[in-house]
Order: sequence, then structure tokens, then C-alpha cells
Amino acid sequence: GAVVSQHPSRVICKSGTSVKIECRSLDFQATTMFWYRQFPKKSLMLMATSNEGSKATYEQGVEKDKFLINHASLTLSTLTVTSAHPEDSSFYICSAISVDTQYFGPGTRLTVL
Amino acid sequence: GENVEQHPSTLSVQEGDSAVIKCTYSDSASNYFPWYKQELGKGPQLIIDIRSNVGEKKDQRIAVTLNKTAKHFSLHITETQPEDSAVYFCAARRLDDMRFGAGTRLTVKP
Repeated sequence: GAVVSQHPSRVICKSGTSVKIECRSLDFQATTMFWYRQFPKKSLMLMATSNEGSKATYEQGVEKDKFLINHASLTLSTLTVTSAHPEDSSFYICSAISVDTQYFGPGTRLTVL
Repeated sequence: GENVEQHPSTLSVQEGDSAVIKCTYSDSASNYFPWYKQELGKGPQLIIDIRSNVGEKKDQRIAVTLNKTAKHFSLHITETQPEDSAVYFCAARRLDDMRFGAGTRLTVKP
């Protein structure tokens, strides 16, 4: 199947700093990518849909100024958590569709101290 | 919008037994139903999927059945092995909107 990569896999940052997470489709082009957040032992919560060349669509309750999404190319979407706080600590997973099938990245574990 | 319910939340089976996880969905327009396996600390991996024009699909020890009338679909794992232990998520998709079940933690005891 198609491969989606994420970088970094783990990041620890201080409260108040910003963190950027990259999501890449390695062997296909993705006009649409998705960003999910997952709390321990919980299901995946869709945060936003990232569209290449246009603004992301955020789910209700997700702060677009806090979670900045940029989808500058057909193979790269980035999620920037701005002014991170401990409550932003979570597992962030991106996803992309290839040939009508949705594939997930390996996830990024963010810990905010 | 779509609402996906998944049962059971935890399932423990003996190695070699079968495991069945069931999901129901609410939006009759949903037409794609994937199943994902998630191991600890990793992203979900697609293990099998089914589209609304098919009632059953099988891939070695894994099978999925779909009942469109009743709006439910199930994952069947036969001859379970300890490496099948993971969290399994079902999902239902309509256009670009995919909703997930709450997950089932499967434990296969050797």
C-alpha cells in the first residue's frame, strides 16, 4: 500500500514554544491530507482537513490559530502547534488518500513540559 | 453526521480461537468501510476494507462482512495469534468524511 511518513516521531518542548510536524506522502500525490489527534486509549479525533494550495478546514472546537496547517505541495503537509501548553501533549497522526484508500502516518508523540 | 459504534471495547481470546468485532453506522450514504490495526505507539495500519457494493471480503485469516440494510459490518479474525494483539478501529466514510469507532483492544493469550 501507499506510504505516509511523519517527522519527528517524538518531540519534547517547553511550554510556550512552537512545534512543527511534517507529513509526507512518499509514493503518491495527495491533494488532501488529514490531521488527527489521539488521546491515550481513545479513538482518533479529526482535527482538520488539509487541502493543497488552499486553507485547511478545521473541525468544530479546533483552534485554527493554535494548530496551523500548511499544505504547500502535493506531498507535504505541516502542522504547527503554536505556543504549546502541557494540555497539547498528545499523539498526532496524519493521513492521506491514495486511490480512494486512506493511509496513516506513524504518528508523532508530542510532550509539552 | 455519521456516527460509528464499535463493540466490544475489549476482547480477550485464546490463541487459535476466532475473534469478531462489530460496528454499526448511522449514515446510509457511507460507502467505504476500512478496518485499522494500531499497535502501541504507532499509527493505524489498514488491514482490510470493504465497499458498499460488496457483502464480504476475505484476506487470509481476516474477513469483513457488510450488511447495508442493517448498517453494520464486522471484522473476523480466525486462528488468532499473539501478534494479532492490538487495538482495532473500524471506520465508515462518506465522500471525504471518515468517522472512526472507539476501538477494540484485542488480546490473544498464548
